[in-house]
Amino acid sequence: RKEVEQDPGPFNVPEGATVAFNCTYSNSASQSFFWYRQDCRKEPKLLMSVYSSGNEDGRFTAQLNRASQYISLLIRDSKLSDSATYLCVVNDGANYQLIWGAGTKLIIKP
Amino acid sequence: DTAVSQTPKYLVTQMGNDKSIKCEQNLGHDTMYWYKQDSKKFLKIMFSYNNKELIINETVPNRFSPKSPDKAHLNLHINSLELGDSAVYFCASSQDRADTQYFGPGTRLTVL
Repeated sequence: RKEVEQDPGPFNVPEGATVAFNCTYSNSASQSFFWYRQDCRKEPKLLMSVYSSGNEDGRFTAQLNRASQYISLLIRDSKLSDSATYLCVVNDGANYQLIWGAGTKLIIKP
Repeated sequence: DTAVSQTPKYLVTQMGNDKSIKCEQNLGHDTMYWYKQDSKKFLKIMFSYNNKELIINETVPNRFSPKSPDKAHLNLHINSLELGDSAVYFCASSQDRADTQYFGPGTRLTVL
């Protein structure tokens, strides 16, 4: 089993819709969780950290489910500019190394 | 002001050559990284330095040698380039290990 797994997509979503995707992780000792966004031919950029209580930043909501070992990202009222690859990142617990998922590709259609 | 910068942005070279990629960060971070992102878009850690000390050295051919002259710089030297080395190489930095990482714009390496 991969340490961090994501559905590669692509998710094709109409503009204005709500979309959600999950990321599962294998190390129960993981303590830090992040969602990054990567646009085509660009570097990854932090979208949001994921806190135990869940957190919201505008149209974006991140949740952590420790029992089932997954994090989720919900995007409401999607915009064309949300089209990107969303990378799930989890620390490995022991070595403080960040483990990267392969990413979920999101395409927002007009 | 660019937080994490890399040079060159594009690098096209012949098999067998030796090349270097430079990275600099002006964020005052203690930890720097090199990642490789191949055509399948998977981001793989190669090396990590914390306070100029190598802390992560993944299974990478020894043709790849990182060098950190100071905390703000982490360069990557590649000897005897092979076709399979073609990828985008990203440099990143963070305040400490497992903190948020900030990436440079990437160096697109093409080996012919």
